[in-house]
Order: sequence, then C-alpha cells, then structure tokens
Amino acid sequence: EIVLTQSPGTLSLSPGERATLSCRASQTVSSSYLVWYQQKPGQAPRLLIYGASSRATGIPDRFSGSGSGTDFTLTISRLEPEDSAVYYCQQYGSSSWTFGQGTKVEIK
Amino acid sequence: EVQLVESGGGLVQPGGSLRLSCAASGFTFSNFHMSWVRQAPGKGLEWVSYISSSSSLIYYADSVNGRFTISRDNAKNSLSLQMSSLRDEDTAVYYCARGTATGTNFDYWGQGALVTVSS
Repeated sequence: EIVLTQSPGTLSLSPGERATLSCRASQTVSSSYLVWYQQKPGQAPRLLIYGASSRATGIPDRFSGSGSGTDFTLTISRLEPEDSAVYYCQQYGSSSWTFGQGTKVEIK
Repeated sequence: EVQLVESGGGLVQPGGSLRLSCAASGFTFSNFHMSWVRQAPGKGLEWVSYISSSSSLIYYADSVNGRFTISRDNAKNSLSLQMSSLRDEDTAVYYCARGTATGTNFDYWGQGALVTVSS
C-alpha cells in the first residue's frame, strides 16, 4: 500500500502570504491519480485539485498543484481568511484509495 | 444540484451491527461509482469501500474486509453500508462519496453520518 506523508503538520501564515503544502508518496504515484481536498471544520471534504495540477470546478486560481513521481505540492498563492482548513492529498492505486494525514492551514 | 444524504448513524455496542444509507439526487446515480470514506474524531480520512456503477466491482479496506458489506440500488438511487462485528475503532463520521469518471477520486460528498461504537 502506498503511504502518503504530508508536511508540515500545521502552517500558520498571514492573509496575502503564500502557502506551500507537501505530499510525499512511499512509491511512485501516477500524476493522474493524485488529488487534493480541502476540509473546513464540521464540513465534508471538497475536491480542489485532480490529476495533480487541474483545478476542480469553481476552485479559485490562487490554488495550484504540481509535482510528479513521489513528490507533490499544493500552493495557495495569496491566502484568504476563508482558506483556513485542513488539506489532504489522496492517491489511487491497486484498487485502494489512500489519504495523507493532512496539513492544517491557520490564518493569523 | 448533486446531493448525497447519509442516514442510519447512531450508538452501537461493540460486536453489534448497523446499516448506513445514502440517498443520491441531482445526477444519474446508475452512471457513477460510489464509495464510503470515514473520519475518526479529530483524525484524518480513511477510505472504507468502493462499488462500481453496476455493482460488478466491489473493494474494501483491509480494516473492514469481512465485516462490512457495500451495496447499491440503482432503481432507488441508494447506496448502503452494512456494518457488523463493530469495534471501538470503527467510531467515525462515515461519508458517502461520488467517484469521478475515472473512479480514482471523489467529487461530491455527503454531510456524513456519525457512528459511535461504545459500551
């Protein structure tokens, strides 16, 4: 089973700053199968990025994804107060779906 | 508008059983793969089970294999998860999630149903 490790655990930044979130896989992951979700307290996750770099419908362009192989990145270019949330990466492989443990983004 | 509404959560004793349901609307349910994903209190997300659009393919996480059964009724736009031999560690919010066309991720999620396993 592929293990996804996200870092940092928590990111505390001010509005307007740039956030860089990392997702590292224990084995090579197809870029087509790497996605990112945003989850706010008390809410279900929301799909942000699919195929490692494509934004889902309605997602602002300040969110971008990149990476390949075992290293993937979610970047929020200019943080807004509403971006406060936990962000999860997820991959699919061998009839199994696995998630990273999440990165919490706090807005100062 | 796509809607997924879970029901059937509650308190159950260890070793007991519970059945979750998910009512789907706003899309052609029979065309989409579906999954259950859970989240223990204060923890991350864990995929639980998958069922293809025609029920021909079914997969389970190792943690629930042999104890949980996923099923769907395309005529009723409904997804179910029968849970038995429940353990303390099954305590979680269970989300019903729609698979994308590739089936490799989830584009719509329900609001979740809380299952608490405790004596």
